[in-house]
Amino acid sequence: NAGVTQTPKFQVLKTGQSMTLQCAQDMNHNSMYWYRQDPGMGLRLIYYSASEGTTDKGEVPNGYNVSRLNKREFSLRLESAAPSQTSVYFCASRARNEQFFGPGTRLTVL
Amino acid sequence: DAKTTQPNSMESNEEEPVHLPCNHSTISGTDYIHWYRQLPSQGPEYVIHGLTSNVNNRMASLAIAEDRKSSTLILHRATLRDAAVYYCILRDVLAGGTSYGKLTFGQGTILTVHP
Repeated sequence: NAGVTQTPKFQVLKTGQSMTLQCAQDMNHNSMYWYRQDPGMGLRLIYYSASEGTTDKGEVPNGYNVSRLNKREFSLRLESAAPSQTSVYFCASRARNEQFFGPGTRLTVL
Repeated sequence: DAKTTQPNSMESNEEEPVHLPCNHSTISGTDYIHWYRQLPSQGPEYVIHGLTSNVNNRMASLAIAEDRKSSTLILHRATLRDAAVYYCILRDVLAGGTSYGKLTFGQGTILTVHP
């Protein structure tokens, strides 16, 4: 089992550019989550998906969109990147009482 | 969401026990207490969770106060690999529908382990 995988690991964007962060899990979990972590801070929830075909906003959804493509994949899109979106992005999936996190994508917006 | 309070940092020596405290005075009866940790440059990983009774697993023990207003994560013999940020999180088991399973992370406790 690869668990939760994320691509890319690193990305540098210019202000206004768009990109999609990819996340996949091979554990057959229904629920998936996107978080961001700014330096010295805890994680904040951006969006989540309780099951295939549903998505909901978390604490900080502005500037992001998500797609739950199928049960395995949950992508996060930045339509017009801003420097305030410089952060480390973590994807997670959940089985009952435990969330499993990916290794993260470190994004810098110049 | 009920709030948790943790010390910003703690230090320990290798092979000694570590007690990481968490206060959650506004906890509700349906809040589970979860602990996650984040090793440097990695995503968080689950450590343990409990509701009312003390819990043990291969990684740690969780001691929950009788009134549930505080809890303590116990690492029985700290190793260098246990140096991480430890997060104490409350999760409402009855949070409806799509809110089920949401975790709200605070700033956690930075644990330093000295050789």
